[in-house]
Amino acid sequence: AQSVSQHNHHVILSEAASLELGCNYSYGGTVNLFWYVQYPGQHLQLLLKYFSGDPLVKGIKGFEAEFIKSKFSFNLRKPSVQWSDTAEYFCAVNAGGYQKVTFGTGTKLQVIP
Amino acid sequence: DTAVSQTPKYLVTQMGNDKSIKCEQNLGHDTMYWYKQDSKKFLKIMFSYNNKELIINETVPNRFSPKSPDKAHLNLHINSLELGDSAVYFCASSQGPGRTEAFFGQGTRLTVV
Repeated sequence: AQSVSQHNHHVILSEAASLELGCNYSYGGTVNLFWYVQYPGQHLQLLLKYFSGDPLVKGIKGFEAEFIKSKFSFNLRKPSVQWSDTAEYFCAVNAGGYQKVTFGTGTKLQVIP
Repeated sequence: DTAVSQTPKYLVTQMGNDKSIKCEQNLGHDTMYWYKQDSKKFLKIMFSYNNKELIINETVPNRFSPKSPDKAHLNLHINSLELGDSAVYFCASSQGPGRTEAFFGQGTRLTVV
């Protein structure tokens, strides 16, 4: 069965600091990977996704993620965070054409002005 | 023009009552989902329908019954509400099951008192 781990539960950064949020999945075959963001009081929105091709994926708002198959990882990065990036970030995986997408437990990012 | 809309946004009700949440999508998607997000922000899939057919039915009490009258609508009816049902319920849709990005509604915050 597919599963997703997000080890950082709560991250606090100052504005302009660099961000890296970890995401690891457990499945040995083909995967589709997603990062979603949930701003306070809002619904989830897609930040970026990986299906195939270039393992470095660029998303909206300056976010990017790198798929490293050998490490079963899909970490999210941003070179310089802003206060408006304060939100909950969810990694999600769909494995092997399975019909379900499994979400990680989320990482709360707090950016201090 | 809202892509995935849910009603109501807030629902406060007493234990033992029966309530429904409605969801509609205007994206032309074939697949719709219900997710439950608990107080710790953990997001868990409950049900998924593809072309009005139930394809995912996670371990959910049978007090919860989804209904999809057509591809654009997926409603959730809950019987005999319990305190533990308090959560935010998100409806989502996607082009196909699992492998494509999901578009989420604004959520329904259910509070059982």
